[in-house]
Amino acid sequence: AQSVTQLDSQVPVFEEAPVELRCNYSSSVSVYLFWYVQYPNQGLQLLLKYLSGSTLVKGINGFEAEFNKSQTSFHLRKPSVHISDTAEYFCAVTPGGGADGLTFGKGTHLIIQP
Amino acid sequence: DAGVIQSPRHEVTEMGQEVTLRCKPISGHNSLFWYRQTMMRGLELLIYFNNNVPIDDSGMPEDRFSAKMPNASFSTLKIQPSEPRDSAVYFCASSPRRGGGYTFGSGTRLTVV
Repeated sequence: AQSVTQLDSQVPVFEEAPVELRCNYSSSVSVYLFWYVQYPNQGLQLLLKYLSGSTLVKGINGFEAEFNKSQTSFHLRKPSVHISDTAEYFCAVTPGGGADGLTFGKGTHLIIQP
Repeated sequence: DAGVIQSPRHEVTEMGQEVTLRCKPISGHNSLFWYRQTMMRGLELLIYFNNNVPIDDSGMPEDRFSAKMPNASFSTLKIQPSEPRDSAVYFCASSPRRGGGYTFGSGTRLTVV
């Protein structure tokens, strides 16, 4: 079984500042990793995913994440945030192959302050 | 591509009534997943299908919940009878058989009063 820990339930950041949202996972097998964003009253939109290859993954809206196998982490970063980035961010994991369901973390609420 | 389509978007029902949520996956996707989102428990996987066959329903909370996928383009999640604690947002997602391309629908917000 897999599990995901998002260490911060809420992260306040000033506009144009950098941000890092932390994600750690636990699994006995190789995994695929994902970050999703959820805007208020909307569904989940894929930001980026790591399946294999380069450990630095670039996604939409200027976000990127780095897979660190030794630290079992997949932290999400953005060098400069905007008001429009205010949302809930979810890290998720599934066994490598992608045929099974996703296990999600509890989410991190990113709050952008003007 | 219209994406994953869920209906209805909102459902308000009285306790004890039957509720049916519907999902149309992306054409060509072999796997379909039902999730439930609540403030207390976050996003939980309820059940998933591969090639229309239920693979893992261990997340279904009670026998009151059932799901079917009669063909590759349609799935239902039924709650009978419904209870107030079933109030949540229910998401459907689909994915190709391999490769991790999970796409979520917009969800159904269920309120049981």
